[in-house]
Amino acid sequence: GAVVSQHPSRVICKSGTSVKIECRSLDFQATTMFWYRQFPKQSLMLMATSNEGSKATYEQGVEKDKFLINHASLTLSTLTVTSAHPEDSSFYICSARGDYLYGYTFGSGTRLTVV
Amino acid sequence: GENVEQHPSTLSVQEGDSAVIKCTYSDSASNYFPWYKQELGKRPQLIIDIRSNVGEKKDQRIAVTLNKTAKHFSLHITETQPEDSAVYFCAASNGGKLIFGQGTELSVKP
Repeated sequence: GAVVSQHPSRVICKSGTSVKIECRSLDFQATTMFWYRQFPKQSLMLMATSNEGSKATYEQGVEKDKFLINHASLTLSTLTVTSAHPEDSSFYICSARGDYLYGYTFGSGTRLTVV
Repeated sequence: GENVEQHPSTLSVQEGDSAVIKCTYSDSASNYFPWYKQELGKRPQLIIDIRSNVGEKKDQRIAVTLNKTAKHFSLHITETQPEDSAVYFCAASNGGKLIFGQGTELSVKP
């Protein structure tokens, strides 16, 4: 079945630094990638949608200059949290769709802790 | 914008009883309705899904019903077991982004 590999699984960074999270589709071409954020005991909140080769579309209230998304190839999308602060600590998870793929394939998630 | 409402937020049942979780959606163009089970710190796991051209779908102890007119869909779990305890999310998609409900924490007591 379709697999999306997400790395790192856990990361601790200092306040003010940037962190990059990668999602790779291993056996299909991810034409669309969705990035979610999940705070403890809350739902998955969609942050942005990216299509390969295009600029990402951000949901209302999500700062595009803070959460940089790159989807330069059909198998790789990255989310960079710039100038991270403790309030950015959360579980970040990607989800991919391919043109000929039914449903959504989720990465394993990244637990970000900003200290 | 698109919105998915899910109820209840917590549900406690005795082992062997049935559990029902309900969701409503706002986007009439939604055509795909998956249900996920999520364990702490893990990715959502698809347990069942339904498309808008179907009213009901069943897979062993799990069933989903869809009422397009009322824009609501429900998850039914029969003969619940302690290992069914988890957080369950409904979601809706119009072929593009997938919007999640708020989640239901299901607890099955032995």
